[in-house]
Amino acid sequence: DAKTTQPNSMESNEEEPVHLPCNHSTISGTDYIHWYRQLPSQGPEYVIHGLTSNVNNRMASLAIAEDRKSSTLILHRATLRDAAVYYCILRDLNTGNQFYFGTGTSLTVIP
Amino acid sequence: DAGVTQSPTHLIKTRGQHVTLRCSPISGHKSVSWYQQVLGQGPQFIFQYYEKEERGRGNFPDRFSARQFPNYSSELNVNALLLGDSALYLCASSLVRQGGQGRKREKLFFGSGTQLSVL
Repeated sequence: DAKTTQPNSMESNEEEPVHLPCNHSTISGTDYIHWYRQLPSQGPEYVIHGLTSNVNNRMASLAIAEDRKSSTLILHRATLRDAAVYYCILRDLNTGNQFYFGTGTSLTVIP
Repeated sequence: DAGVTQSPTHLIKTRGQHVTLRCSPISGHKSVSWYQQVLGQGPQFIFQYYEKEERGRGNFPDRFSARQFPNYSSELNVNALLLGDSALYLCASSLVRQGGQGRKREKLFFGSGTQLSVL
């Protein structure tokens, strides 16, 4: 599976939007882009995933660059409960049986 | 519905001992994966089982083994424990769905993990 690059940490003020970037320059045509987050003392939880088009769900939005070499997870209004480590993962469901988690981005939300 | 449950939540062992960690997937999920998470790092893939067969293995020594039972629950066994095996062990279950253009869609649901400390 191709690898991703994320900033180690980011800060955001509460109730403001947060844009979490991810670079994946070696992405292949069959790689889905997944985002998971891990709150303190919990296992990771699914946030969103997409292939080519931008995606929205109740938790977040995923903006995918036209060349698919980067993507951005958007939290529209950060809350204190959004403080977590966010992982950007590429997954080829046609061949891969595992998710490769990097070190992720640790998001701090400031009240 | 109950989520993924793991037991025990915490465990303390000494070097050389063996340990068995247990996982019950979400009802209806036939795939179970195991991950190891060392402090400060992301989870690392150990095994995946689907329909009681091993479907993937990560870069872990043979001291690590696993199995899946007919009810789709799973056990992770680690023999001859080393200090470096101290970590959070996560189990994830998934429901593989067939998506468009023949692509499979899979979303992982994780348990809260078993914190293993090896002294």
